[in-house]
Amino acid sequence: EAGVAQSPRYKIIEKRQSVAFWCNPISGHATLYWYQQILGQGPKLLIQFQNNGVVDDSQLPKDRFSAERLKGVDSTLKIQPAKLEDSAVYLCASDSGTRGEQYFGPGTRLTVT
Amino acid sequence: GEDVEQSLFLSVREGDSSVINCTYTDSSSTYLYWYKQEPGAGLQLLTYIFSNMDMKQDQRLTVLLNKKDKHLSLRIADTQTGDSAIYFCAETTLDNDMRFGAGTRLTVKP
Repeated sequence: EAGVAQSPRYKIIEKRQSVAFWCNPISGHATLYWYQQILGQGPKLLIQFQNNGVVDDSQLPKDRFSAERLKGVDSTLKIQPAKLEDSAVYLCASDSGTRGEQYFGPGTRLTVT
Repeated sequence: GEDVEQSLFLSVREGDSSVINCTYTDSSSTYLYWYKQEPGAGLQLLTYIFSNMDMKQDQRLTVLLNKKDKHLSLRIADTQTGDSAIYFCAETTLDNDMRFGAGTRLTVKP
């Protein structure tokens, strides 16, 4: 089966600009996650969707980050405006609900200059 | 800081066994996982263990869980150069939050 797809793979922007990332989860997976992975650290959960509803967004900096999952399939994560400390890899993951196994996409590496 | 702790680096010789250790803090953790991350790639699930198990073996991988000490380890037998990567320990709690350690960078020398 196809894995989790993400685009773009790399993005370089200047601070205060906006950026959006896209994720297509594994077909049939109801739960979708966005993680932020800063260099040298483990992934940190930003937001979790169950179908098209938000389950957990407690760690999402809502003044600048937003995410949506229309129709319960694809998802977009937006940062507006970006700060230097947003430089990280943004990982999307999905799971079917069985054992909580999450399958990760390749990530989008964001550099904010 | 991280709730899940791992040593940052491990270096072994090809053919030796590697043991990567992890401690976690949430005694209500239901599943514990090991993920592998190669440069420029996402995380790949290697194996997982349910919290009521002590050990799980899957080919070259052996996971040991000590619930009393909240200690998890991953042993890789006959380590190969292709095993060089960052290994993340993760726990899933009752509220389905997944928390990751900072990762252990495994270097395998020929």
